[in-house]
Amino acid sequence: GAVVSQHPSRVICKSGTSVKIECRSLDFQATTMFWYRQFPKQSLMLMATSNEGSKATYEQGVEKDKFLINHASLTLSTLTVTSAHPEDSSFYICSGTGGAGLQETQYFGPGTRLLVL
Amino acid sequence: LAKTTQPISMDSYEGQEVNITCSHNNIATNDYITWYQQFPSQGPRFIIQGYKTKVTNEVASLFIPADRKSSTLSLPRVSLSDTAVYYCLVGPLSNDYKLSFGAGTTVTVRA
Repeated sequence: GAVVSQHPSRVICKSGTSVKIECRSLDFQATTMFWYRQFPKQSLMLMATSNEGSKATYEQGVEKDKFLINHASLTLSTLTVTSAHPEDSSFYICSGTGGAGLQETQYFGPGTRLLVL
Repeated sequence: LAKTTQPISMDSYEGQEVNITCSHNNIATNDYITWYQQFPSQGPRFIIQGYKTKVTNEVASLFIPADRKSSTLSLPRVSLSDTAVYYCLVGPLSNDYKLSFGAGTTVTVRA
């Protein structure tokens, strides 16, 4: 299957700071990337969808000015949590689609654990 | 979006076969059925995908009846490491299709 990586795997930051999370498709070109958030004991919640070179589309209730998404290339998307607060502490997961022969299946990264103090 | 319903949890023992049934009564003609596995603090891992009848890979089998209103994921001879949450999703094969994750089925395998 296709491989997606995320960096960092976990990050601790102070309230009010910004944190950037990278999502890379390692062996395919992801024309579309998705960002999810998962709170403890809950399922994945889609935050936004991004296509390479275009602005991201955010789900209802997700603040686009707080969660900045950039999909500058076919292998890299970044999520920046701006002015992070403790309630932003969560598990952030990205996924990508678009590789040849993958039948448009979403392949997920390992996730990034964010803790805001 | 086709809504799916699956059991919240299932218990099993090592070496047994685990079958998880997912109901998707409103599945559309162009929808496929995809199953993911998720371990704690990890991203979901693709297990298997199918459209109709039976699909088998090195990890699992997927059984889909003719009416496609349900599907069954079969995990043969489970081990402790198969303890995870399993998600059933339906939708068209499209690069920008938005997956809607339900609660999934928590499978616990005991020794």
